[in-house]
Amino acid sequence: AQKITQTQPGMFVQEKEAVTLDCTYDTSDPSYGLFWYKQPSSGEMIFLIYQGSYDQQNATEGRYSLNFQKARKSANLVISASQLGDSAMYFCAMRGEYGNKLVFGAGTILRVKS
Amino acid sequence: EPEVTQTPSHQVTQMGQEVILRCVPISNHLYFYWYRQILGQKVEFLVSFYNNEISEKSEIFDDQFSVERPDGSNFTLKIRSTKLEDSAMYFCASSGGVTDTQYFGPGTRLTVL
Repeated sequence: AQKITQTQPGMFVQEKEAVTLDCTYDTSDPSYGLFWYKQPSSGEMIFLIYQGSYDQQNATEGRYSLNFQKARKSANLVISASQLGDSAMYFCAMRGEYGNKLVFGAGTILRVKS
Repeated sequence: EPEVTQTPSHQVTQMGQEVILRCVPISNHLYFYWYRQILGQKVEFLVSFYNNEISEKSEIFDDQFSVERPDGSNFTLKIRSTKLEDSAMYFCASSGGVTDTQYFGPGTRLTVL
């Protein structure tokens, strides 16, 4: 079974600064995928970034990067140059090797201050 | 850019009534999913659907729930006899491609009175 842990219930960051949102995972599957989603106050779930367990390099998508440390089973999201529009709930999720379901963490609420 | 759509955006129903939540997945995707999020809680997997049958389901997805792909575009979730605890946001998602990333619809907020 897969498990995702997000230990930060809430985070504050100053506009234009970088912020790291923590995610650790647990699985016995030999291969897996890690995802981050953003949920603004309007409620939709927006895909941000994907990291495969066999990918050699950390994933990047614009201002988002994923700090993947396989030995430590961590997949932290780094947002550079924070913007007010980044204020939202952020979910880390995992897909195991067998089956396609996503297992989500509890989420981290990010607030960007001007 | 293709997107997943869901209707209605908000549904209010009386306990014991049947509801059908509708979704139109991204057209070239082959896997479809339903998740739910009770207010303030994490997102929970309900069911996945591939090749016109359920490929995986969670413990939440009991006999009160069913899914169907009635035509080439729609994907529905039916709750036969709603309970108060079914009140939640229900998300449809679809996936395809190399990474099989799941793209979510905007959700249907179900309120059971």
